[in-house]
Amino acid sequence: NAGVTQTPKFQVLKTGQSMTLQCAQDMNHNSMYWYRQDPGMGLRLIYYSASEGTTDKGEVPNGYNVSRLNKREFSLRLESAAPSQTSVYFCASSEATVTNYGYTFGSGTRLTVV
Amino acid sequence: GDSVTQMEGPVTLSEEACLTINCTYTATGYPSLFWYVQYPGEGLQLLLKATKADDKGSNKGFEATYRKETTSFHLEKGSVQVSDSAVYFCALIMNTGFQKLVFGTGTRLLVSP
Repeated sequence: NAGVTQTPKFQVLKTGQSMTLQCAQDMNHNSMYWYRQDPGMGLRLIYYSASEGTTDKGEVPNGYNVSRLNKREFSLRLESAAPSQTSVYFCASSEATVTNYGYTFGSGTRLTVV
Repeated sequence: GDSVTQMEGPVTLSEEACLTINCTYTATGYPSLFWYVQYPGEGLQLLLKATKADDKGSNKGFEATYRKETTSFHLEKGSVQVSDSAVYFCALIMNTGFQKLVFGTGTRLLVSP
């Protein structure tokens, strides 16, 4: 079982460059999420998609865009990277009975913006 | 809004010591509660859960009991191992409508031989 797959695992960008973080899940989950993890701040929700065809902002959406390409895939785009976006990014997915099973997380993308 | 408060870390223990990581929550209703673990360089993994008051979640020797009266879900283990060194996150989700997991800030556990 692959679960949630994120690519790439590591990335270094120059300020102003753009990139897309890819996420795919093979569990037929309806909902998907993007988080960033920073020291001392835990996980903060960037965007989420409750179901295919819908996306909504989380706590820290500024500087990011998302696309729910289909039920499996949910990408995160940085249009013009800034050093403040240096972080570890996690994608997660959940099924309808999320209150029983929580989320399944990918292994993360470590992004450095110089 | 709904929130989760965890004890500050790091927690430093010797192997075979007892562990307690405190977690309290604030919520308007009755949430489901989770503990996630993050090993170095990896994503978060579900460790245990409880979906209603007085439930006890358990896994890999870890336990946590959902205490409605104290709004707490403390993580405990009787004898920690070096391999338990990780960051532990407490989280909640409400049981009504479409809700999102709310995480605490995480507590780092360091276990020495």
